Amino acid sequence: EDQVTQSPEALRLQEGESSSLNCSYTVSGLRGLFWYRQDPGKGPEFLFTLYSAGEEKEKERLKATLTKKESFLHITAPKPEDSATYLCAVSKYSGGGADGLTFGKGTHLIIQP
Amino acid sequence: DAGVIQSPRHEVTEMGQEVTLRCKPISGHDYLFWYRQTMMRGLELLIYFNNNVPIDDSGMPEDRFSAKMPNASFSTLKIQPSEPRDSAVYFCASSHGDENTEAFFGQGTRLTVV
Repeated sequence: EDQVTQSPEALRLQEGESSSLNCSYTVSGLRGLFWYRQDPGKGPEFLFTLYSAGEEKEKERLKATLTKKESFLHITAPKPEDSATYLCAVSKYSGGGADGLTFGKGTHLIIQP
Repeated sequence: DAGVIQSPRHEVTEMGQEVTLRCKPISGHDYLFWYRQTMMRGLELLIYFNNNVPIDDSGMPEDRFSAKMPNASFSTLKIQPSEPRDSAVYFCASSHGDENTEAFFGQGTRLTVV
């Protein structure tokens, strides 16, 4: 069974304090690993897709990396507006075409000014 | 484009009543997904469609749940009869093409069954 586990469940940082969020996954035939951001009362907002081990992507203060078993979301010098729940999800090969995502439960990140 | 549009945003209903949630995907997207989010279980895929055809409904929890996509611009998720354990936020998402492009999510419908 496909599994996505995120840690920590919650993280509180001071503004400017860099850290990393972890996403461990078990899936047969990884097609893509996705990172989303979710603000309270809103739907998940797409951040990154990673397809193969060693791949990295960056966007502003965020950088996502991927290995064969896990992904990290590095947050450099975060600001209060980076506070949100960060969700990791995987998609697998299932006979072609797009597929639904299997999500982790997320990391609730709070950046204190 | 206005993005994925869901209605209603909030729904409160009594146990045993029928509930219908609605979704308008992004124009041109050929995949549509229904997810449910709870504190206990997180985001779970319920069903998804490709070109209006249901592809995988293995996540639909019970026969009380049904989904339709009569055309490329509209989908419904129906619960009949509703139960308190169905209380959750239901999200609709859409994506484009066979490649694993990102899915765009709507704002969700918060369902409360009392």
